[in-house]
Amino acid sequence: QKEVEQDPGPLSVPEGAIVSLNCTYSNSAFQYFMWYRQYSRKGPELLMYTYSSGNKEDGRFTAQVDKSSKYISLFIRDSQPSDSATYLCAMSVAGGTSYGKLTFGQGTILTVHP
Amino acid sequence: GAVVSQHPSWVICKSGTSVKIECRSLDFQATTMFWYRQFPKQSLMLMATSNEGSKATYEQGVEKDKFLINHASLTLSTLTVTSAHPEDSSFYICSARGQGQFFGPGTRLTVL
Repeated sequence: QKEVEQDPGPLSVPEGAIVSLNCTYSNSAFQYFMWYRQYSRKGPELLMYTYSSGNKEDGRFTAQVDKSSKYISLFIRDSQPSDSATYLCAMSVAGGTSYGKLTFGQGTILTVHP
Repeated sequence: GAVVSQHPSWVICKSGTSVKIECRSLDFQATTMFWYRQFPKQSLMLMATSNEGSKATYEQGVEKDKFLINHASLTLSTLTVTSAHPEDSSFYICSARGQGQFFGPGTRLTVL
């Protein structure tokens, strides 16, 4: 079993739709949760960074973390064609030499069509 | 936001040669940088953690003599793929730790 599970999709939605992306994980030591967006042949771009449980909103993006269920989500409101990319969840363990080592999900390929 | 650059962005080399990839944090100092490898349609896999002024820490299964890492300053880490072979062809991405972890644009290595 992988430490982080993410449905690879692909996911195709019409412009303006609300997109829901999610990941589950098995390591209860994960404390930091991130969502990255990666365009083809480019490095990942940090979208959201959350510590522990709770919600965080930034513009059209909302990240949720439910540590009790080991489940994280990213919601994109009013999706645009420019949001078409691969979305990667990532997690790390807080503290010590493990801090900063990220474990990634497989990534979900999202296409927003006009 | 924090900017991380990589050079070169794309390199083609012959089998048996060595290739050096540079990773720079442009507007912040990074005592820790990370090197990842990404095969097509797969996620990023951590190869090693690079610490300024000390030896890199490699993940299980990564050959430290093949993937040489040097973190000579707070803004520069280099990865050298020694005696590259076709199976080393991949997308190599570095990241630097600040408030979160910021990634470079990646280097596509093709070994013929």
